[in-house]
Amino acid sequence: NIVMTQSPKSMSISVGDRVTMNCKASQNVYNNIAWYQQKPGQSPKLLIYYASNRYNGVPDRFTGSGYGTDFTLTINSVQAEDAAFYYCQRIYNSPYTFGAGTKLELK
Amino acid sequence: EVQLVESGGGLVQPGRSLKLSCVASGFTFSNYGMNWIRQAPGKGLEWVAYISSGSSYIYYAETVKGRFTISRDNAKNTLYLQMTSLRSEDTALYYCARGAGMGYFDFWGPGTMVTVSS
Repeated sequence: NIVMTQSPKSMSISVGDRVTMNCKASQNVYNNIAWYQQKPGQSPKLLIYYASNRYNGVPDRFTGSGYGTDFTLTINSVQAEDAAFYYCQRIYNSPYTFGAGTKLELK
Repeated sequence: EVQLVESGGGLVQPGRSLKLSCVASGFTFSNYGMNWIRQAPGKGLEWVAYISSGSSYIYYAETVKGRFTISRDNAKNTLYLQMTSLRSEDTALYYCARGAGMGYFDFWGPGTMVTVSS
């Protein structure tokens, strides 16, 4: 099965900074990646699908990129409300494996 | 407004069974594939199972294959997860989620907690 590896495990960022987090697939998954945001005590929310398509209503400061095995979620000008866990996920073919997540904290 | 509400969780002994339900509203349930995803306390997300809109296609994670059964009743707008031979490692918050496309999920319920312990 394909393994999704996210890095870093956590990061501490100041409001207004630009942040980049990574997701690496153990095999070529083409552009079949989604990204989710999960805040404490809440259900996950879809941010990005097919690597770079922003879901309805997602602010344009969230950008997904990558193809093949290496993917990136970038948040431009981080806001306080962006503090959360972020998960990448292999999509299109089962099993729909998630990465272990990146925790984004605000300084 | 799309709503998904899970129920049926609780405390159960190892080896026993439990059936979860997820009632959907605010969209045409029969048009969408549905999924169960779980999250152990303090851990990440694990996809569990998928069922297509008409129940023709069903997929499971290897960790639950042969023990869990996903099903749906489109007349009742309800998704189910029958869990048997439960283990301590099945302890988690179980979410149902609507399939937005091939394997990604656009609406999630609040989850129902399953605790497997003697």
